[in-house]
Amino acid sequence: RKEVEQDPGPFNVPEGATVAFNCTYSNSASQSFFWYRQDCRKEPKLLMSVYSSGNEDGRFTAQLNRASQYISLLIRDSKLSDSATYLCVVNSGGSQGNLIFGKGTKLSVKP
Amino acid sequence: GAVVSQHPSRVICKSGTSVKIECRSLDFQATTMFWYRQFPKQSLMLMATSNEGSKATYEQGVEKDKFLINHASLTLSTLTVTSAHPEDSSFYICSARVDEGAHNEKLFFGSGTQLSVL
Repeated sequence: RKEVEQDPGPFNVPEGATVAFNCTYSNSASQSFFWYRQDCRKEPKLLMSVYSSGNEDGRFTAQLNRASQYISLLIRDSKLSDSATYLCVVNSGGSQGNLIFGKGTKLSVKP
Repeated sequence: GAVVSQHPSRVICKSGTSVKIECRSLDFQATTMFWYRQFPKQSLMLMATSNEGSKATYEQGVEKDKFLINHASLTLSTLTVTSAHPEDSSFYICSARVDEGAHNEKLFFGSGTQLSVL
């Protein structure tokens, strides 16, 4: 099982749609979880951290299920500018606390 | 948020030459920086962890003699790709870790370097 696994995508959706990304992780000792956004040939940028209680930031909602080792990201009322690759990132749980990146799911929002 | 500057953004070089990439934390001190490589349509793969004042820790399969990392100060880490070959062509990104409490570290990334070896 891969350390961090995401929906392969790509997701092609119309403007205004709601889209959900899923992610599973293999290391039960992982403590920190994040969603990053990466535009083509650009550096990843932190979108939001993911907390056990779930958290929301505007149109974005992230949820964590530790028992299932599952993380999700929901985007409501999607905009053209949301088009990017969304990376699920998990703390490896090791002493260095290295973050492990999923392959990402590409989202294309069409007019 | 914290700013990490990476330079150069793009390098085209001949096979056999060496290329140095710099990563600077501009407004904070970074005791730990990370170097990643990303091939097209692939995930970021950690190459090595760079610790200020000590030797870098390389991931399995990454040749330490080929990818030289120096982290001589709290604001600068460099990656040198020695004797680059076409298969080294990739997008290289650095990041600096900022700890904001227990289990709450964040990464701030440089803008990446696209290396093309002819």
